[in-house]
Amino acid sequence: AQSVTQPDIHITVSEGASLELRCNYSYGATPYLFWYVQSPGQGLQLLLKYFSGDTLVQGIKGFEAEFKRSQSSFNLRKPSVHWSDAAEYFCAVGANDYKLSFGAGTTVTVRA
Amino acid sequence: GAGVSQTPSNKVTEKGKYVELRCDPISGHTALYWYRQSLGQGPEFLIYFQGTGAADDSGLPNDRFFAVRPEGSVSTLKIQRTERGDSAVYLCASSLNRARSSYEQYFGPGTRLTVT
Repeated sequence: AQSVTQPDIHITVSEGASLELRCNYSYGATPYLFWYVQSPGQGLQLLLKYFSGDTLVQGIKGFEAEFKRSQSSFNLRKPSVHWSDAAEYFCAVGANDYKLSFGAGTTVTVRA
Repeated sequence: GAGVSQTPSNKVTEKGKYVELRCDPISGHTALYWYRQSLGQGPEFLIYFQGTGAADDSGLPNDRFFAVRPEGSVSTLKIQRTERGDSAVYLCASSLNRARSSYEQYFGPGTRLTVT
């Protein structure tokens, strides 16, 4: 069965600074990988997805993620964070059964 | 267009009571999913519908949980004899039912269930 680990429970970053959120997955084949964002009181919003091809994927809100098969990782990055990026971020993996398996999430705090 | 909607947004019930949670998916989305998100955790899969039938209910924790989707659109998650451990946010998602599109799941805002 597939699984996802997000090693960082909480990250604090200054507005305008860069952000990187780590995600490691466990799955025997090539996974489908996703990043979602959840703001307080809001549903999960899909930021970006990886199915195949180019390992650097671009998403919404200026986010990008890179798939590294050798490290079983799919880290999320943003060059310059805005106060509105404060939220909880979830990495997810999809296998061949349409179910998504999520990590425990990383909470991002943005300080002025 | 309208996104996935869920009602109620909050539900407080007493231990042992029966509850129903409703999900209205995006129009045209034939696949529907229920997940449960406990405090401090990521969502966990409960059940997946293709059309009217439950294609995979392997995530339902026990037989107190049941879900239906009689007309292939709105779905209801039903919990009998609620327990305090059932307290969580219940999320619904929908997607198209075509290959990779099935993984692009659009989530509703969730129903926060509190069992006292």
